[in-house]
Amino acid sequence: ETGVTQSPTHLIKTRGQQVTLRCSSQSGHNTVSWYQQALGQGPQFIFQYYREEENGRGNFPPRFSGLQFPNYSSELNVNALELDDSALYLCASSLAWGQGEQYFGPGTRLTVT
Amino acid sequence: GQQLNQSPQSMFIQEGEDVSMNCTSSSIFNTWLWYKQEPGEGPVLLIALYKAGELTSNGRLTAQFGITRKDSFLNISASIPSDVGIYFCAGLGDKLIFGTGTRLQVFP
Repeated sequence: ETGVTQSPTHLIKTRGQQVTLRCSSQSGHNTVSWYQQALGQGPQFIFQYYREEENGRGNFPPRFSGLQFPNYSSELNVNALELDDSALYLCASSLAWGQGEQYFGPGTRLTVT
Repeated sequence: GQQLNQSPQSMFIQEGEDVSMNCTSSSIFNTWLWYKQEPGEGPVLLIALYKAGELTSNGRLTAQFGITRKDSFLNISASIPSDVGIYFCAGLGDKLIFGTGTRLQVFP
């Protein structure tokens, strides 16, 4: 059974640029959630995708957007990057929507300069 | 963003000691989860709790879903050096909300 994978591992961007992060969910999981984890804090929920549609969103502006593909993999896009967007971005997959057991990938470390 | 309150914030203990940490919320949750995160990695699920009052074990770890549904507890017995990491609670309502974390250091 393949776990959750994310790419890239690390990324450095300049303020104002756009970034795309990718996630492959665990085999058999159809729901993907994205989280932002600032240094020294717990993960903050960005949004969740189920059946290729966003079905829950945290307190993040519209410049954070996502996609889920038919194979349940997912992308997180962030436009107009700001310095405060520097964080670890985590993807988690679960067996079904509303199912509590979410399994996390290793994350993508984004640095905005 | 919203975070649950975890205590203690950090713990420095000797190998072999037992550890207790808790998590409280102003909101009711239907599911409580406990995760462990090590440097450079994503959180790893340790225990999931689905029912108020439920007590669940996973090896040396035991967690409880509080009766009020607003809190949860995690105990680690006979700690070992590989227990080092940050432990997060998380409550599931319409979204998963994480705690502030408890950093555990174990000295041999």
